[in-house]
Amino acid sequence: KAGVTQTPRYLIKTRGQQVTLSCSPISGHRSVSWYQQTPGQGLQFLFEYFSETQRNKGNFPGRFSGRQFSNSRSEMNVSTLELGDSALYLCASSLEAGLAGAGELFFGEGSRLTVL
Amino acid sequence: KQEVTQIPAALSVPEGENLVLNCSFTDSAIYNLQWFRQDPGKGLTSLLLIQSSQREQTSGRLNASLDKSSGRSTLYIAASQPGDSATYLCAVSEGDYKLSFGAGTTVTVRA
Repeated sequence: KAGVTQTPRYLIKTRGQQVTLSCSPISGHRSVSWYQQTPGQGLQFLFEYFSETQRNKGNFPGRFSGRQFSNSRSEMNVSTLELGDSALYLCASSLEAGLAGAGELFFGEGSRLTVL
Repeated sequence: KQEVTQIPAALSVPEGENLVLNCSFTDSAIYNLQWFRQDPGKGLTSLLLIQSSQREQTSGRLNASLDKSSGRSTLYIAASQPGDSATYLCAVSEGDYKLSFGAGTTVTVRA
């Protein structure tokens, strides 16, 4: 059974550019969430999607956005990149268990973004 | 706001010793608690999920306990091996579709 797939795995951008990251969840999983991991802040929640609807959003500026498609694949976009956006971006999928957020999360390998 | 704390931040033990990793959280109204392992530069691997109604979960050499009322969870790894060297993270779900993570405990098992 294939795991959570994230692309690209590594990318380098310059300040002011924008970036789009992709996440394919485990087959059958309809919930997809995104996290940012940095050495200073640890793992921070970005947003969560279920059936193409955003159900929760973390405390990030509007430059961070996401969406989910009908096949449950998800993308996140960061516009006007800043140096501080350099991080490992992790996607997780979950087989919605009925209770809000009570399912086990499975993470991908992440997309490592470097902003120069 | 939920605060998740993991102490110690780092731990070094000789091979064969049992590992005890601690996690505490400030708000006991959680749906579940999940333990993860992360190798350098990699994603997170789920180890154990404990629902709020459970007291413990076991998988092989791993055992995790949950005491919701005191806001604590402990991960036990029996007979540690060098391959257990990694960062271990705990995370709690409050039913709002997100996890709140601790900063992790970095474990080194010396051969």
